[in-house]
Amino acid sequence: DTAVSQTPKYLVTQMGNDKSIKCEQNLGHDTMYWYKQDSKKFLKIMFSYNNKELIINETVPNRFSPKSPDKAHLNLHINSLELGDSAVYFCASSPLSATGNTIYFGEGSWLTVV
Amino acid sequence: DAKTTQPPSMDCAEGRAANLPCNHSTISGNEYVYWYRQIHSQGPQYIIHGLKNNETNEMASLIITEDRKSSTLILPHATLRDTAVYYCIVRVGGSNYKLTFGKGTLLTVNP
Repeated sequence: DTAVSQTPKYLVTQMGNDKSIKCEQNLGHDTMYWYKQDSKKFLKIMFSYNNKELIINETVPNRFSPKSPDKAHLNLHINSLELGDSAVYFCASSPLSATGNTIYFGEGSWLTVV
Repeated sequence: DAKTTQPPSMDCAEGRAANLPCNHSTISGNEYVYWYRQIHSQGPQYIIHGLKNNETNEMASLIITEDRKSSTLILPHATLRDTAVYYCIVRVGGSNYKLTFGKGTLLTVNP
């Protein structure tokens, strides 16, 4: 069974559209994340949720809105898509820990805005 | 979070040990050293982490210098499937703290 699964894996859409990427983890983790990897391969955190509560919110446009219906799911909704939003988006999760922190990543969702 | 410095690329022969260095001279006392890797077109994968002591697991060994200003990730018997970008990250422990990925080292294992 896939520990962190995200759908869709590939998404091609036009500028101005609204799209969502779904993420689910079956590891029983308390914390979930969204990371973005751009064309230069830099991997940057976007959001972090802990038991449905927003913990980290990096400088991300308001068009990006994460939603966590329960601690096993963290979906990413993007409004008014722009060309610069084309990237690979990775969902991840980790157990709540005060010390070392192992993060498990999904396989990524390739978003192409045309 | 402390910044890290890694060589942009390294080569290793299949079956030999791969030693990937990382400098983190500004590391704080409560910051851990983490290693992740990303195989092409896949999500990043956790390898190992440590605070002060050397660590070993089924994937690799982590050697941290006594002053904690640098570390080395060792893959004891590299295979072609170990070809990936390896990221060395230092950060405070705890899941409320973010992992900040740098450029990493592209390790190419050659047959």
